[in-house]
Amino acid sequence: DAGVIQSPRHEVTEMGQEVTLRCKPISGHDYLFWYRQTMMRGLELLIYFNNNVPIDDSGMPEDRFSAKMPNASFSTLKIQPSEPRDSAVYFCASSPYWSGTGENTQYFGPGTRLTVL
Amino acid sequence: DQQVKQNSPSLSVQEGRISILNCDYTNSMFDYFLWYKKYPAEGPTFLISISSIKDKNEDGRFTVFLNKSAKHLSLHIVPSQPGDSAVYFCAAGEYGNKLVFGAGTILRVKS
Repeated sequence: DAGVIQSPRHEVTEMGQEVTLRCKPISGHDYLFWYRQTMMRGLELLIYFNNNVPIDDSGMPEDRFSAKMPNASFSTLKIQPSEPRDSAVYFCASSPYWSGTGENTQYFGPGTRLTVL
Repeated sequence: DQQVKQNSPSLSVQEGRISILNCDYTNSMFDYFLWYKKYPAEGPTFLISISSIKDKNEDGRFTVFLNKSAKHLSLHIVPSQPGDSAVYFCAAGEYGNKLVFGAGTILRVKS
């Protein structure tokens, strides 16, 4: 398996522009997570999906952020309009069926480094 | 409110010696804990985990210790190797709930 795939790997944009980050989870995984990594706050969970349905979006910082998962093999994280403080590395992760009574080991993609000028 | 804290931003260790990475948590309801390792330009990868009902889990050179009364866990790497140089994230979770990650500790193993 190719693992979790994210695109683009690097994105540089100007303040006010729309940014779309993409993720393809590992085939067969039921859960998909979007994280943001910054020096100050480490890894923050933004939102996660179960079977394409958003379960918890409490980590989404503002209405400027939105995420979708139209099918089991694709998800997007959109920032509109982008701001310099959104600059960070954004990770997508997926995990297999999770009964809720065991550990949830997540598999991460390589990340997208976003720079907003 | 940070439920999982890694208070040491970085750690430098000589090759062959022991590396000890620490993690503190505040939520006594956490059921399990994990350590992830991250190399530059890559995503974090799972390293080792421990259930809250255990106090030690060992996997090769890596051992995780859990002290529930102190709400503290640590990752021991013995012996440390230059290839262990990476960012290490501590994470904790309740069964059926999302993981909470710490801010990470940068480990540098000097040869």
